[in-house]
Amino acid sequence: DAKTTQPPSMDCAEGRAANLPCNHSTISGNEYVYWYRQIHSQGPQYIIHGLKNNETNEMASLIITEDRKSSTLILPHATLRDTAVYYCIAPMNRDDKIIFGKGTRLHILP
Amino acid sequence: NAGVTQTPKFRILKIGQSMTLQCAQDMNHNYMYWYRQDPGMGLKLIYYSVGAGITDKGEVPNGYNVSRSTTEDFPLRLELAAPSQTSVYFCASSRQGSYNSPLHFGNGTRLTVT
Repeated sequence: DAKTTQPPSMDCAEGRAANLPCNHSTISGNEYVYWYRQIHSQGPQYIIHGLKNNETNEMASLIITEDRKSSTLILPHATLRDTAVYYCIAPMNRDDKIIFGKGTRLHILP
Repeated sequence: NAGVTQTPKFRILKIGQSMTLQCAQDMNHNYMYWYRQDPGMGLKLIYYSVGAGITDKGEVPNGYNVSRSTTEDFPLRLELAAPSQTSVYFCASSRQGSYNSPLHFGNGTRLTVT
């Protein structure tokens, strides 16, 4: 997998936008960036993924830099229920293993 | 659709006992994965499968065995349980591996070995 680097933890005020960064400087041209989150001890939940273009769905937006070496997950109006560990991964297409890092623990502050 | 179903939800084993963690998916996904998550830690890949009859080792395969006789099922076998295998086990599936294909996770099996 392309190695990803995320800050271990972040805080965000409730109602504000949460911007979670991820560096993936070794990503190859056709490898996707995926974001998942894990609330408490539940199973991880898929949020969004992208290749080159910015993506948006009902949960979040994904901004990928033009050189594809980093991305930002944006939760536009964070709520207390968004408190979770957020994982950014960029698995290699030629490797069927999908490896997770330690993620970012996001705390939403009331 | 049920998605990915894991059974049992909880289990307590004595050292040396054996058990099989069940995982089934109804999305006709070819790729299936087993992860373990120790308290306060991230996910570690145990085994994965790219299709029926094909399995391969992940990051932490020792002490586990898998089989994939059907597309739907991917059981994980613990032969001689050890306290170090106390963990939460998650099964996941995807349509076509890492290429434009998100993982769908089950709700996990919480295993304690004493």
